[in-house]
Amino acid sequence: EADIYQTPRYLVIGTGKKITLECSQTMGHDKMYWYQQDPGMELHLIHYSYGVNSTEKGDLSSESTVSRIRTEHFPLTLESARPSHTSQYLCASSEPSYNEQFFGPGTRLTVL
Amino acid sequence: KNQVEQSPQSLIILEGKNCTLQCNYTVSPFSNLRWYKQDTGRGPVSLTIMTFSENTKSNGRYTATLDADTKQSSLHITASQLSDSASYICVVTDRGSTLGRLYFGRGTQLTVWP
Repeated sequence: EADIYQTPRYLVIGTGKKITLECSQTMGHDKMYWYQQDPGMELHLIHYSYGVNSTEKGDLSSESTVSRIRTEHFPLTLESARPSHTSQYLCASSEPSYNEQFFGPGTRLTVL
Repeated sequence: KNQVEQSPQSLIILEGKNCTLQCNYTVSPFSNLRWYKQDTGRGPVSLTIMTFSENTKSNGRYTATLDADTKQSSLHITASQLSDSASYICVVTDRGSTLGRLYFGRGTQLTVWP
């Protein structure tokens, strides 16, 4: 079944730790996105990718980095997590022509 | 500046009642407008999509309207159910962006009480 997956769903870590949030999709989509969402607020685009070896920063400045070595995989990494990184991170992918984005379930990150 | 504004911010209704959520946008050039439903702790799921030429679109108990002249949209929920409790997000796509850039509203938090 075509879908988009994110792991872990919840993560609580201490300040200074390095973390990687995983995102995988089985729909063969070229475009993938990372959004950050705080409670009651709109989604903010932090990274996107047009395809393999393509990564761009989004509208919201983020200290995270991303990579796109395989079409189906778009991980996000924080080298040194801080409390200000506490948020929900949503991954999405889209078809090339229709522009509809399909979202994963999200990762709720808490940095103590 | 491209923006999407939603109202009300939150809404509580009784099960079985109808409700209407509003969305105003300034995104230009306009491509399409979607309403997403986001359950707590989950990613958004698309309910309806409307392009410039469409003014009404239904999906079961959900009916969306679009007035491209006034740049307003509404989502009407009929005969609400407890499972309708969620955040409803209005999302507008910028036609001028090859990325398919989306502009998100902050959502209306709907709570349906038994």
